[in-house]
Amino acid sequence: NAGVTQTPKFQVLKTGQSMTLQCAQDMNHNSMYWYRQDPGMGLRLIYYSASEGTTDKGEVPNGYNVSRLNKREFSLRLESAAPSQTSVYFCASSDTGLANEKLFFGSGTQLSVL
Amino acid sequence: EDQVTQSPEALRLQEGESSSLNCSYTVSGLRGLFWYRQDPGKGPEFLFTLYSAGEEKEKERLKATLTKKESFLHITAPKPEDSATYLCAVQARWYGGSQGNLIFGKGTKLSVKP
Repeated sequence: NAGVTQTPKFQVLKTGQSMTLQCAQDMNHNSMYWYRQDPGMGLRLIYYSASEGTTDKGEVPNGYNVSRLNKREFSLRLESAAPSQTSVYFCASSDTGLANEKLFFGSGTQLSVL
Repeated sequence: EDQVTQSPEALRLQEGESSSLNCSYTVSGLRGLFWYRQDPGKGPEFLFTLYSAGEEKEKERLKATLTKKESFLHITAPKPEDSATYLCAVQARWYGGSQGNLIFGKGTKLSVKP
């Protein structure tokens, strides 16, 4: 019953450092998503992948890149971290290719950029 | 611009004291309205999807309703284990191109005291 697995759970970076957040799902879902959650704000979509081989920008894509490595895995990369990217990051997946209802979320990565 | 507003931001109830959470929305054609529950340190967990005004769905002590402008999450005789943040999200209808992604509200933090 793994569902959506994110690594790492916690990370501290210095400004300008790079890192990749990993996400894998074992539910054979077509669509995968990366969200960020900041205090006092709703979840905001960074990037999504409607199906294997495709990726699209969401609401707040600047400063991020993604890779849909295969159907199971979807990674998020910060090339040059900034303090404004301090947040909790959630990966999610859904079964349907054209609608993201009933998202299944991972447990999150808490990222601090100093 | 599509928007989701949840109220109140925080709600404290005594065990057994019923109440309602509100989610008001403006969207250019609603495809679906979603309720999620989020426990501290975890990712959101799907509760309900509502598609049209007048629709209702129930799960244990929770009942979600939908009108053309808002949704309510009614909590009947809550227990301490119902304490969590409840998130509302809407999905607008879309035509071609990128899929319609969810727009989340900021959430209502519910605390139920024994």
